[in-house]
Amino acid sequence: GNSVTQMEGPVTLSEEAFLTINCTYTATGYPSLFWYVQYPGEGLQLLLKATKADDKGSNKGFEATYRKETTSFHLEKGSVQVSDSAVYFCALSLHFNAGNMLTFGGGTRLMVKP
Amino acid sequence: NAGVTQTPKFQVLKTGQSMTLQCAQDMNHNSMYWYRQDPGMGLRLIYYSASEGTTDKGEVPNGYNVSRLNKREFSLRLESAAPSQTSVYFCASSEGGALNYGYTFGSGTRLTVV
Repeated sequence: GNSVTQMEGPVTLSEEAFLTINCTYTATGYPSLFWYVQYPGEGLQLLLKATKADDKGSNKGFEATYRKETTSFHLEKGSVQVSDSAVYFCALSLHFNAGNMLTFGGGTRLMVKP
Repeated sequence: NAGVTQTPKFQVLKTGQSMTLQCAQDMNHNSMYWYRQDPGMGLRLIYYSASEGTTDKGEVPNGYNVSRLNKREFSLRLESAAPSQTSVYFCASSEGGALNYGYTFGSGTRLTVV
C-alpha cells in the first residue's frame, strides 16, 4: 500500500536556524508529493508540491526536492521565523487515482523560539 | 472567494445523539473529502466523493454516512455518536482529474462526544 513517514516531533529551533523535516514514502504507482502546513486552530494549507522526479517545490522560503531514488521529499528552510511555528504534513497522491486521494504522514510539530 | 466553508465550528454531543456536519465549496471543484484528525494520528480519510453523484468509503468510514447533495455541498452524518468520534473534522475539495494539484481545506469542526 501507500504510506508516508515523517520524522517525529516536536522540533524546537531558535529563530534563524536551519530547518529540515524528513519525509519518505512508499507508493505502488507514480505519486505527486506535497507539504501542507497547519497553523494553530486552522485547517491545512498547501505549502508546496512536486509532480515528478527531481522537481523542486518552493514557497515562502521553504523548499523540497522530489527524490525518486531515495523515495524522499524532505522539507527545508534556511532561516526559520517564530511565525513558522506550526504542524507540517507530508502527503502523496498517485497519478490517475480516482478521487485524487491524499495519503498523509503523521505530522511534525515545529516550534521556533525567539 | 470563501473557499471551503464548514459548519458548525464547535459541537458537543451526548452519546447516542445524531448530527450532520455541513461543508460547501465555491471553487467549482469536482472532488470533496471528509477527514478526521486525532492527536498523534495525522489525518485519516472517512469518505470521499470523486464527482457529483458518487461517494466512496475511505480508511475509517464506520459510524458515518455522507451525502453529496450537489456539486457544492458534501455533508457528513453521525447517526449515533460515540466518544470515539471525538475529533476534529476537516472537509476538503480538489479539482479532480488525472493529476492532483492539491486540496483546499475548511477550517474544521471540533466535535466532543460525552
